[in-house]
Amino acid sequence: EDQVTQSPEALRLQEGESSSLNCSYTVSGLRGLFWYRQDPGKGPEFLFTLYSAGEEKEKERLKATLTKKESFLHITAPKPEDSATYLCAVAGGSQGNLIFGKGTKLSVKP
Amino acid sequence: SAVISQKPSRDICQRGTSLTIQCQVDSQVTMMFWYRQQPGQSLTLIATANQGSEATYESGFVIDKFPISRPNLTFSTLTVSNMSPEDSSIYLCSVGRPEDEQFFGPGTRLTVL
Repeated sequence: EDQVTQSPEALRLQEGESSSLNCSYTVSGLRGLFWYRQDPGKGPEFLFTLYSAGEEKEKERLKATLTKKESFLHITAPKPEDSATYLCAVAGGSQGNLIFGKGTKLSVKP
Repeated sequence: SAVISQKPSRDICQRGTSLTIQCQVDSQVTMMFWYRQQPGQSLTLIATANQGSEATYESGFVIDKFPISRPNLTFSTLTVSNMSPEDSSIYLCSVGRPEDEQFFGPGTRLTVL
């Protein structure tokens, strides 16, 4: 079964404390992996697309990486404004649509 | 990326009633998608709406419960019919392609009493 699992469910960091969020997937024939940020009361905001193992994308304090089984969203020296839920989605397998994980809720305390 | 708006932003409804959610895009798009986001759950695709054709529903979702209109290339509606408390959720529309980057509206938070 095509599946996306994100861990941890929640992560609390101190400002400046770097960490990583994980997105593991089981789809045959990955056609793309997508990271989104979702603030409370808002729709998901697109961050990155990764297409093949070894690919990396960066935006400000965020860097996304991809292997054949999982993706990591690395957050370097986070700030309170990075607090949000981060969603991972994949395209592939038999679905023909995006398959979303449940997200990781990140809280960054000053 | 497209600018997407949804109305209403939130609503509280009585069971057995229906609510129509509107999604407006600032540019013409071929495909629009409707998702449900229940508390603690992942986004789940309800249906894909193409202009000029019937919406395509995902497994577990039926047209009688979630009728969709797509009258033009910038607008779509989703109706949640005969609501029950289990329909309490955030409903999101998005634009893009089925297996590619999608851009989301702000969502409609529905509470059914």
